[in-house]
Amino acid sequence: NAGVTQTPKFQVLKTGQSMTLQCAQDMNHNSMYWYRQDPGMGLRLIYYSASEGTTDKGEVPNGYNVSRLNKREFSLRLESAAPSQTSVYFCASSDGTGTGGYEQYFGPGTRLTVT
Amino acid sequence: GNSVTQMEGPVTLSEEAFLTINCTYTATGYPSLFWYVQYPGEGLQLLLKATKADDKGSNKGFEATYRKETTSFHLEKGSVQVSDSAVYFCALSVSLYTNAGKSTFGDGTTLTVKP
Repeated sequence: NAGVTQTPKFQVLKTGQSMTLQCAQDMNHNSMYWYRQDPGMGLRLIYYSASEGTTDKGEVPNGYNVSRLNKREFSLRLESAAPSQTSVYFCASSDGTGTGGYEQYFGPGTRLTVT
Repeated sequence: GNSVTQMEGPVTLSEEAFLTINCTYTATGYPSLFWYVQYPGEGLQLLLKATKADDKGSNKGFEATYRKETTSFHLEKGSVQVSDSAVYFCALSVSLYTNAGKSTFGDGTTLTVKP
């Protein structure tokens, strides 16, 4: 049981390049999330998905797109990277439907630098 | 809307000192409350949780009690160790079928424990 996995762990991009961050979970969770973490700003939600085939914007969606490929996988795409997107990106999942607040399970993060 | 306010850091303690990290919240509905811990270079992991008023969550010597009357969920540990050095996040999740289990996170408090 690997939990939540993310690839790559580190990435350096030049301004204007594109890339996709991959995330997969093996806990059969319905909900998945993408966050970015910047120094002094805590976690900010980029996009989330309540179930396979559905996605919704979070607090800071501009410059990003997502795909919920199936129940396991949720990818984040940067179409044209900008230095402001230098950050640590975390994917998380939870069994977030129905009643009862559910804890989230986080991946190890992708450290992205855009030069 | 929902919000979480936690004690600003950084917090520096000597080994075996008593730890308190304050957390207060505002929420519509009946939230579940969580403390997550993030060790250097890793993702967040759940430390403890409480799902209703007066519940006490505990794990690894850490405790927090869900206080509805003061809308608080303060984290405490009687005797900290160097290995407790990390960033601690308070979070809440409100039980709504439609909200995909989203959580609201505080900004994090950095704890450093010196030998």
